[in-house]
Amino acid sequence: SAVISQKPSRDICQRGTSLTIQCQVDSQVTMMFWYRQQPGQSLTLIATANQGSEATYESGFVIDKFPISRPNLTFSTLTVSNMSPEDSSIYLCSVEQGVSGNTIYFGEGSWLTVV
Amino acid sequence: SQQGEEDPQALSIQEGENATMNCSYKTSINNLQWYRQNSGRGLVHLILIRSNEREKHSGRLRVTLDTSKKSSSLLITASRAADTASYFCATSTTSGTYKYIFGTGTRLKVLA
Repeated sequence: SAVISQKPSRDICQRGTSLTIQCQVDSQVTMMFWYRQQPGQSLTLIATANQGSEATYESGFVIDKFPISRPNLTFSTLTVSNMSPEDSSIYLCSVEQGVSGNTIYFGEGSWLTVV
Repeated sequence: SQQGEEDPQALSIQEGENATMNCSYKTSINNLQWYRQNSGRGLVHLILIRSNEREKHSGRLRVTLDTSKKSSSLLITASRAADTASYFCATSTTSGTYKYIFGTGTRLKVLA
């Protein structure tokens, strides 16, 4: 299974600032997914990031607010821009692996608290 | 909206008892997966069941899938305090953009 490292693991951010979360995978993967998990809630898909193409955003998420980079098959970043307290969440990077019946694996997540 | 709805939202049982969680989804799927999340941590993959499978076992876990009812259940037998966590189902759909959608989750508490 893939090993995924996320940075930072935690951060406290000032309102109005931006923060970039890094996701590093120990193997090459085609599809990477970014999720948000607000306190006490389930995971909501922000976008799907494939190498070499623009990220595909879900309803309610826009590129200006959550720009994503995917420069190669092992790395991606998610930026949370112009943060407000409503952006306080865990942000999770995940990848898909498997020949058939693919499984998705997760990093440990990045806890962001916006004050 | 969320693809999957899970029930119960919360479940509290005694150690040694069995725990059953249910997941319902809305559209046709490729597969359904169950995950565990300990408080404040990343998700751990438990088991995957394909759309053409009806039942699958892994250790103390038993998963069933009923595609006619668009539902799945996760059974944890002989529960332990260490099983205390939130459990989520996730589905990959056959329509639209390829992605994984998570259910609302069940918070399980196993009392020692």
